[in-house]
Amino acid sequence: AQSVSQHNHHVILSEAASLELGCNYSYGGTVNLFWYVQYPGQHLQLLLKYFSGDPLVKGIKGFEAEFIKSKFSFNLRKPSVQWSDTAEYFCAVNSGGYQKVTFGIGTKLQVIP
Amino acid sequence: DTAVSQTPKYLVTQMGNDKSIKCEQNLGHDTMYWYKQDSKKFLKIMFSYNNKELIINETVPNRFSPKSPDKAHLNLHINSLELGDSAVYFCASSQAKNTEAFFGQGTRLTVV
Repeated sequence: AQSVSQHNHHVILSEAASLELGCNYSYGGTVNLFWYVQYPGQHLQLLLKYFSGDPLVKGIKGFEAEFIKSKFSFNLRKPSVQWSDTAEYFCAVNSGGYQKVTFGIGTKLQVIP
Repeated sequence: DTAVSQTPKYLVTQMGNDKSIKCEQNLGHDTMYWYKQDSKKFLKIMFSYNNKELIINETVPNRFSPKSPDKAHLNLHINSLELGDSAVYFCASSQAKNTEAFFGQGTRLTVV
């Protein structure tokens, strides 16, 4: 069975600091990987996704993630965070079939002005 | 235009009641889902339907019964509501296998 672990549950950063959120998954086969963001009181929105090809994926709002197959990781990065990035971030994996997308527990990011 | 819409947005009800949450998507997607997000923000899939057919049922109590009258709609009916059912329920849809899911705004259910 597939599973996702996010190591940082609550991250507090000052504006302009760099961000890296860890995500590891467990599944031996081909996977599709996602990062979703949930702003306070809102629904989940897709930040970026990896299906195949270049393992460095660029998403919206300056976010990027790198798929490292040997480490089963898909870490999210942003060089300089803004106050508006305050949100909950979810890593997710789908190992194929009819879309059983499994989410990590989420990381709450708080950016201090 | 809202791609995935759920109603109601908020639902407060007493224990033991029966309630329904409706979901509609106008994206032409084949697959729809219900997710439950608990107070700790943990998201867990409950059901998945593909072309009105149940594909995934993740150990959800029988009190929860999804219904898909057509592939654009997936409603969730809950019988005999319990305190532990309080959560935010998200509907989502996707085009096919291996594509991202689009989420609705969520329904915050509070059972008192």
